[in-house]
Amino acid sequence: KAGVTQTPRYLIKTRGQQVTLSCSPISGHRSVSWYQQTPGQGLQFLFEYFSETQRNKGNFPGRFSGRQFSNSRSEMNVSTLELGDSALYLCASSLDTGGDTEAFFGQGTRLTVV
Amino acid sequence: GENVEQHPSTLSVQEGDSAVIKCTYSDSASNYFPWYKQELGKRPQLIIDIRSNVGEKKDQRIAVTLNKTAKHFSLHITETQPEDSAVYFCAHTGANSKLTFGKGITLSVRP
Repeated sequence: KAGVTQTPRYLIKTRGQQVTLSCSPISGHRSVSWYQQTPGQGLQFLFEYFSETQRNKGNFPGRFSGRQFSNSRSEMNVSTLELGDSALYLCASSLDTGGDTEAFFGQGTRLTVV
Repeated sequence: GENVEQHPSTLSVQEGDSAVIKCTYSDSASNYFPWYKQELGKRPQLIIDIRSNVGEKKDQRIAVTLNKTAKHFSLHITETQPEDSAVYFCAHTGANSKLTFGKGITLSVRP
């Protein structure tokens, strides 16, 4: 069974640009969550999608958005990039929503904003 | 109400000793408490979890205890080995069904 796949693995962008990250969940998983990981800040929750609907949202500005497609694949978009957006972005998929089933993480996308 | 605090932020133990990592939470509606391990350069992976109707769960050298009254849960690793060196994240799911992680603890096991 294929794991969670994130593309691309690495990205370098310039301030002010926008970026789209992709996440393909494990087959059969309908919930996809996104996290931002930075040194010392742990895993900060961005949002969760389930059956194409945003179920939960973290405390990030509106520049961060996402969506989920009918095949459960999800994309995350960051507009007007800032230097502080440099981080590892992880997505995680799980069978169901509710947050009480195992979350399987992808390898992450390392975003560097210069 | 949904934050979770981890103590300490770093921990160093001698190989063979035990390690205990504690997390506290404030949301009394929290009902699911997983622990994730992230080795350097790798993705976080679930190592053990516990639900609010259970006080303790054990899996070989790893155990998790939950004290709902005091609102804290702890990860216990016995007979530590160098391969236990990693960042450990506690997490919980509160009333909003959102899985929230702590900031992580770096465990170093000295050979």
